[in-house]
Amino acid sequence: DQQVKQNSPSLSVQEGRISILNCDYTNSMFDYFLWYKKYPAEGPTFLISISSIKDKNEDGRFTVFLNKSAKHLSLHIVPSQPGDSAVYFCAARDTGNQFYFGTGTSLTVIP
Amino acid sequence: EAGVAQSPRYKIIEKRQSVAFWCNPISGHATLYWYQQILGQGPKLLIQFQNNGVVDDSQLPKDRFSAERLKGVDSTLKIQPAKLEDSAVYLCASSHSGYQPQHFGDGTRLSIL
Repeated sequence: DQQVKQNSPSLSVQEGRISILNCDYTNSMFDYFLWYKKYPAEGPTFLISISSIKDKNEDGRFTVFLNKSAKHLSLHIVPSQPGDSAVYFCAARDTGNQFYFGTGTSLTVIP
Repeated sequence: EAGVAQSPRYKIIEKRQSVAFWCNPISGHATLYWYQQILGQGPKLLIQFQNNGVVDDSQLPKDRFSAERLKGVDSTLKIQPAKLEDSAVYLCASSHSGYQPQHFGDGTRLSIL
């Protein structure tokens, strides 16, 4: 049973425009959410996180939004750059400190 | 700081053989994780250590997988005997605590023939 879902396997965006990656979850007990970025043949790299007590967290070009009532979070990248092309994983932590990952969204930023 | 080190990077074995992976976490990180990532899926937690104690191994197939973290630093993950469905990338990650983001190694890609 997939508790964290990323329903878009891929996304293409023009350089300079906004990239919006989406993630849905089913467990209302998740208290911490993260986004990871992964290049081919490398491990995932932590990008940004948000606690369940917040609805927005911003770090430079990256902003994560959390909508607890909809059990939905999104990652906004503005402006998108070619170097942002990678697979992005959404992850969530439950109260037992176990992390659950989505299946990833492959982002391509077109120059 | 040096990242999480894993070896080998690639391993090809035949089914029913055994294989072992090694992980050296970031210095000072008490929490260590092993994940299995099958092609097209997200990482799935196999086992989590806090220092040298197991915190969660509920998804570890214990009839064939084993892991240890002696002295609370390096860790090894073993599969014996391997099955075709074990073909995956095995990722090791570490963090200061279970409340903080994890730092991942580059993984070991295992192919079972």
